[in-house]
Amino acid sequence: TQLLEQSPQFLSIQEGENLTVYCNSSSVFSSLQWYRQEPGEGPVLLVTVVTGGEVKKLKRLTFQFGDARKDSSLHITAAQPGDTGLYLCAGARSSGSARQLTFGSGTQLTVLP
Amino acid sequence: EAGVAQSPRYKIIEKRQSVAFWCNPISGHATLYWYQQILGQGPKLLIQFQNNGVVDDSQLPKDRFSAERLKGVDSTLKIQPAKLEDSAVYLCASSFGQKLREGWGELFFGEGSRLTVL
Repeated sequence: TQLLEQSPQFLSIQEGENLTVYCNSSSVFSSLQWYRQEPGEGPVLLVTVVTGGEVKKLKRLTFQFGDARKDSSLHITAAQPGDTGLYLCAGARSSGSARQLTFGSGTQLTVLP
Repeated sequence: EAGVAQSPRYKIIEKRQSVAFWCNPISGHATLYWYQQILGQGPKLLIQFQNNGVVDDSQLPKDRFSAERLKGVDSTLKIQPAKLEDSAVYLCASSFGQKLREGWGELFFGEGSRLTVL
């Protein structure tokens, strides 16, 4: 059972369009990370959000952490073919002094030229 | 700086055979993770080490999977006997720390080992 549900699962858009990917959970997370994974490679960290309501921008990517720290969104403006990849959210929770990081189900984005 | 190294990149075996994967984390990273990623899904944590101790192995199928990190550096993940449903990419990751006071560090992933069980 995935604690983190991502939507949509697949997204295919034309270059220049905008898009939003969602990451939802019934659990509260102390922080949330977004990773991007390309074929044949491991995921690479894009951003970490820690505070409820926090918004971070990375060039054309905007990340938001929900006020209740249960959900997050990733918005891409003017998508480019280089944005193609599997986008993964990962929620962190503490268990004692250890951190548990759980990944979402992923959103496969394809940007067509 | 060298990244996380994994081998082999690809492995094809028949069901009931055994297989082992090796991971060398980034130098100085105390925490090492093994994830299983089935095609089209997000990574699922199998086991997490802090130095040479196990922090979390709650999702490791212990009847067939085992992992060790004897000297607190590199690690091996073994599957014996393999089942068809074990076909997946096995990702190794490392991070500098994992305790609250060390912050929510970035995970650095290797390229993965793709296993096909026939």
